[in-house]
Amino acid sequence: EAGVVQSPRYKIIEKKQPVAFWCNPISGHNTLYWYLQNLGQGPELLIRYENEEAVDDSQLPKDRFSAERLKGVDSTLKIQPAELGDSAVYLCASSLDPGSHEQYFGPGTRLTVT
Amino acid sequence: KQEVTQIPAALSVPEGENLVLNCSFTDSAIYNLQWFRQDPGKGLTSLLLIQSSQREQTSGRLNASLDKSSGRSTLYIAASQPGDSATYLCAVSNSGYALNFGKGTSLLVTP
Repeated sequence: EAGVVQSPRYKIIEKKQPVAFWCNPISGHNTLYWYLQNLGQGPELLIRYENEEAVDDSQLPKDRFSAERLKGVDSTLKIQPAELGDSAVYLCASSLDPGSHEQYFGPGTRLTVT
Repeated sequence: KQEVTQIPAALSVPEGENLVLNCSFTDSAIYNLQWFRQDPGKGLTSLLLIQSSQREQTSGRLNASLDKSSGRSTLYIAASQPGDSATYLCAVSNSGYALNFGKGTSLLVTP
């Protein structure tokens, strides 16, 4: 079974430029998460989707961040415009089992803003 | 807000030793607790998940325990190997959804 797929793996952009990250969850997983991980820290939740609905976006900085999950499968996270402080690893995770809620993570996208 | 603390921040042990990683959390009303492994530049690999009604879970050389009332969990690694070198993250969920992570314990197992 394929795991969570993310692309690109690495991205370097100049500040004020837009950037987008893509995530394909494990097949059949209806819950999808985007997390942000700063260096030396644990991941922090940005947004959670149940199918195509964003059910928890309270931690998403909505002035510059946006996300979508069309058709309840793939998801895209966008930053526009990027700032130096956005340099971090962006992780996507998915879960299926409504009982255990065990989350499975992708390899992440490492963003560097110069 | 749930706060998760992991001690120690870093640990270096010789190969073959048994070791314990500690995790504490401030809000005992948890849904589950998950231990992850993260290799440099990689994503997170789920090691063990303990539901709030469980006391421990085991997988191979790994054993995780949970004491909800005291807000603690431990990850025990038996007979450590150099391949166990990684960062170990503890994460707690109060809702069954969003995970609250600690900062991790960086483990180095030397040959």
